[in-house]
Amino acid sequence: EDKVVQSPLSLVVHEGDTVTLNCSYEVTNFRSLLWYKQEKKAPTFLFMLTSSGIEKKSGRLSSILDKKELFSILNITATQTGDSAVYLCAVEARSQGAQKLVFGQGTRLTINP
Amino acid sequence: GAVVSQHPSRVICKSGTSVKIECRSLDFQATTMFWYRQFPKQSLMLMATSNEGSKATYEQGVEKDKFLINHASLTLSTLTVTSAHPEDSSFYICSAWGRAGEQYFGPGTRLTVT
Repeated sequence: EDKVVQSPLSLVVHEGDTVTLNCSYEVTNFRSLLWYKQEKKAPTFLFMLTSSGIEKKSGRLSSILDKKELFSILNITATQTGDSAVYLCAVEARSQGAQKLVFGQGTRLTINP
Repeated sequence: GAVVSQHPSRVICKSGTSVKIECRSLDFQATTMFWYRQFPKQSLMLMATSNEGSKATYEQGVEKDKFLINHASLTLSTLTVTSAHPEDSSFYICSAWGRAGEQYFGPGTRLTVT
């Protein structure tokens, strides 16, 4: 059974800290790994990773994938209160001839001022 | 990025009635759309894959007669929750693949069944 596990499930830090969120996976026919940020509504897309070792960066956020060890990390530097959200990791897998996303449980990140 | 819309954003209905939720891809064609359900403080659970012009593919444990999916055009998929019960109250989200292979989500529909 395809599985995506995120850790920690919950994290509380102070503004300005750097955080690292983890995502490990076990899926058949891996195609890509995606990170999303979810505030009050639906998830918004952050990164899509397909190749090992290539860091993707967007402002204070960065992410990297290790396909040998089957995990990814999402880093946020100089955190701000607006970074408070649930961060979801999802893996695109091919199952029964169809592509679909398998989501992790999410990491609830709280940034205190 | 690709834009996906949902309607309504929020709906309250009485137990036993049916509710239809629409999902539209606004600036692209989507032969495949996905329907997810999310309970409070939980992650997204895939309910079904909606295929334009053919039957939807349901995930294990999802009742296809209760959650009717119709994907009649390349820009519209609908989810109808039939004979809704309070335990069907949830946040329903649709999504579609973007051009670069990422999946874009609609804003979600919060269903409350009283």
